[in-house]
Amino acid sequence: NAGVTQTPKFQVLKTGQSMTLQCAQDMNHEYMSWYRQDPGMGLRLIHYSVGAGITDQGEVPNGYNVSRSTTEDFPLRLLSAAPSQTSVYFCASSYSSGTNEKLFFGSGTQLSVL
Amino acid sequence: AQRVTQPEKLLSVFKGAPVELKCNYSYSGSPELFWYVQYSRQRLQLLLRHISRESIKGFTADLNKGETSFHLKKPFAQEEDSAMYYCALRVTGGGNKLTFGTGTQLKVEL
Repeated sequence: NAGVTQTPKFQVLKTGQSMTLQCAQDMNHEYMSWYRQDPGMGLRLIHYSVGAGITDQGEVPNGYNVSRSTTEDFPLRLLSAAPSQTSVYFCASSYSSGTNEKLFFGSGTQLSVL
Repeated sequence: AQRVTQPEKLLSVFKGAPVELKCNYSYSGSPELFWYVQYSRQRLQLLLRHISRESIKGFTADLNKGETSFHLKKPFAQEEDSAMYYCALRVTGGGNKLTFGTGTQLKVEL
């Protein structure tokens, strides 16, 4: 049981490049989400999904796309990378979207956009 | 919009001293509050949640709706408590969406 797995751990992009951050969980969790962590700003929600085929925007969705074709996977796509997207990205999942559910986090992807 | 405020970026205490990490929130609904912790080179993980009224690793937190606070406390700090602590508020109405504070780095010195 690996939990929440994120790849890659580190990535450097040039402005304008696109890429996909991968997130997979093997706990059969219904809910998955993406956060970015920036110094002095805590974690901010980018996108989330309450189940396969269902996604919605969080607090800071601009410049990012997501899809949820399977329960296990929730990739985050950067369409045209910008220096403002330099950040640490965390994927998190929970068994359901209900009350009192704890989030399980991945180990993070450190992204630099030059 | 909801907000979680952690006023201290860094809190430094000596081993054996009491610890209090402050968290204040603003939210129009009924709050669900959590403390998450990130130890060095480890993943962010749940420490405790207000609804459970539990004590984890000696830490407790009481929700004070009058003062809109959810401070994290421990009577005697241990070296292994050194970590980054985040207070988080769950927003009701779709998804398990958490709004996080900016975090407090706790450093326990010998």
